[in-house]
Amino acid sequence: AQSVAQPEDQVNVAEGNPLTVKCTYSVSGNPYLFWYVQYPNRGLQFLLKYITGDNLVKGSYGFEAEFNKSQTSFHLKKPSALVSDSALYFCAVRALSLNYGGSQGNLIFGKGTKLSVKP
Amino acid sequence: EAQVTQNPRYLITVTGKKLTVTCSQNMNHEYMSWYRQDPGLGLRQIYYSMNVEVTDKGDVPEGYKVSRKEKRNFPLILESPSPNQTSLYFCATSMVGEETQYFGPGTRLLVL
Repeated sequence: AQSVAQPEDQVNVAEGNPLTVKCTYSVSGNPYLFWYVQYPNRGLQFLLKYITGDNLVKGSYGFEAEFNKSQTSFHLKKPSALVSDSALYFCAVRALSLNYGGSQGNLIFGKGTKLSVKP
Repeated sequence: EAQVTQNPRYLITVTGKKLTVTCSQNMNHEYMSWYRQDPGLGLRQIYYSMNVEVTDKGDVPEGYKVSRKEKRNFPLILESPSPNQTSLYFCATSMVGEETQYFGPGTRLLVL
């Protein structure tokens, strides 16, 4: 079964310090991996994705993620955290819809990690 | 402006009173999906649709219905809501074959 795990419910970081939000996955075939962010009282916003190519993917707001196939991980990183980065972060993996010959994938989300950046 | 809209944004209702949450998109996307978000459980897919008149169950479809009569609209129907359907609901859309999904602002539902 395909799944995503975010092992930390909450990550606390001081402003200016680097941050990492962890994600591991289990998927058959090549993984399509995503990070989304949810600010309070808002919908989810797309941050970045890995489909193929470079293992280091750059996204919005200075975030990046490193795909590691051997460790089946896709950790989200930022070199210098901002207070405004405080939000709920979701990792997701694409699960191919077998009903449609694999032409479309549904996203399977992790449970989310709350990032808190203190001044 | 490309957007996904949901209505209502907040709803308090009572057990058994039928309700509909609407989702509309102006991006001409074929794929639309409904999720519910619950603390500690992340987002779980309720139903999805690949195109007009094509819908399928997600991971937690019990107690919900959907329809896709027009490409832009994908309403979520709760025929007889129960308190365990109290949740935050999101609609999402994408082009078929395009991996990125675009989310609506969410509908917070409380069933008493």
